[in-house]
Amino acid sequence: EVQLVQSGAEVKKPGESLKISCKASGYNFAIYWIVWVRQMPGKGLEWMGSIYPADSHSTYSPSFQGQVTFSADKSISTAYLQWSGLKASDSAMYYCARPTNGVWTDLDYWGQGTLVTVSS
Amino acid sequence: QSALTQSASVSGSPGQSITISCTGISSDVGGYNYVSWFQQHPGKVPKLIMYDVLNRPSGVSTRFSASKSGNTASLTISGLQAEDEADYYCSTYTSSRTVVFGGGTKLTVL
Repeated sequence: EVQLVQSGAEVKKPGESLKISCKASGYNFAIYWIVWVRQMPGKGLEWMGSIYPADSHSTYSPSFQGQVTFSADKSISTAYLQWSGLKASDSAMYYCARPTNGVWTDLDYWGQGTLVTVSS
Repeated sequence: QSALTQSASVSGSPGQSITISCTGISSDVGGYNYVSWFQQHPGKVPKLIMYDVLNRPSGVSTRFSASKSGNTASLTISGLQAEDEADYYCSTYTSSRTVVFGGGTKLTVL
């Protein structure tokens, strides 16, 4: 059974760094893209970008390019989303998701979400 | 890149059919058969209900159907049920090698 389990909720201060995780199981982690999606409070879904764990090739939405970094560790089947300097506007729910095949829109498997709160 | 355009809300009575539209441009919705639809209940994880324009994942009710014409994709829910009340999002691949979501449509079952 394919599962994506995300790390727990985080409360951080502006300017702090953060790395959240998405641990995969039930399939060959390396050969399926992982997509990251943001949902700000009361708002819609936003595609942040994707990473291919086999070679860590990443594609970022222009809205998130330079703001976040994707990474992956094949040895522990885990993908990461990190910030080097959080802003209050980064407060949101973050989901990792896996497409059924190689198409980034076909997100059939989702993590439970990680709530990030950035507040002074 | 701009989000795809969806109406903010739609409503219908149990048993009726409703259609949610998702409008993009020729370099996203109009250019690729990679349109998906997601259902999200309050406080829950989004769920894929349609992919590649008109395909339904295993386990999704046949009351859901979808299509595309030009730059507009559509999701139709027939035989509305109370459990269909949720937010619905479309998404598509774009010529920039990215994905964009619609702004979401809130479905109310009267």
